[in-house]
Amino acid sequence: AQTVTQSQPEMSVQEAETVTLSCTYDTSESDYYLFWYKQPPSRQMILVIRQEAYKQQNATENRFSVNFQKAAKSFSLKISDSQLGDAAMYFCAYRRFQGAQKLVFGQGTRLTINP
Amino acid sequence: EPEVTQTPSHQVTQMGQEVILRCVPISNHLYFYWYRQILGQKVEFLVSFYNNEISEKSEIFDDQFSVERPDGSNFTLKIRSTKLEDSAMYFCASSVGVLSYEQYFGPGTRLTVT
Repeated sequence: AQTVTQSQPEMSVQEAETVTLSCTYDTSESDYYLFWYKQPPSRQMILVIRQEAYKQQNATENRFSVNFQKAAKSFSLKISDSQLGDAAMYFCAYRRFQGAQKLVFGQGTRLTINP
Repeated sequence: EPEVTQTPSHQVTQMGQEVILRCVPISNHLYFYWYRQILGQKVEFLVSFYNNEISEKSEIFDDQFSVERPDGSNFTLKIRSTKLEDSAMYFCASSVGVLSYEQYFGPGTRLTVT
């Protein structure tokens, strides 16, 4: 079974600084998707960024980028120019490319932005 | 922009009672999911549903749980006899199709079992 591990329960960063959240996963599949979801205090799950495992290029969405290391099964999220609105729980998630559609989530990292 | 909606936002029930959580997925989506998140813990998959059938379920989804799409727009999760440990946030999600990578989440229903 696939597992996702986030080893940082909490992180904090100064506003306008850069922070990196870590995620590792375990799978025997060669094709899959990886995601970072943001969960603000409202608790709605919001997709931040996705990465297809067959793509070598790291995904980027504005201030959010990932460092995808397939061989190491590592998928970190970098937030540049941190803003107060970035404060939230961040969940890393895995999904098989085909077949089972379910998302497998990590334990989450609570990100605090210090003004 | 279309969104997944869920009602109620908060449900309080007594242990042993039945509850039905309701979701309206995005209209052209074909795959539907329920997840739950016990306070302070990670989000866990419960069940996926396609073509009026369960396509996958987790070990959490036992005989006390059922899902239904009664009228082509609503997607419901029923818990027949609630337990204290069912207290959690329940999220509905939907996706367009089998190769669609993105699941759109609703705002969640907070279920409190007393």
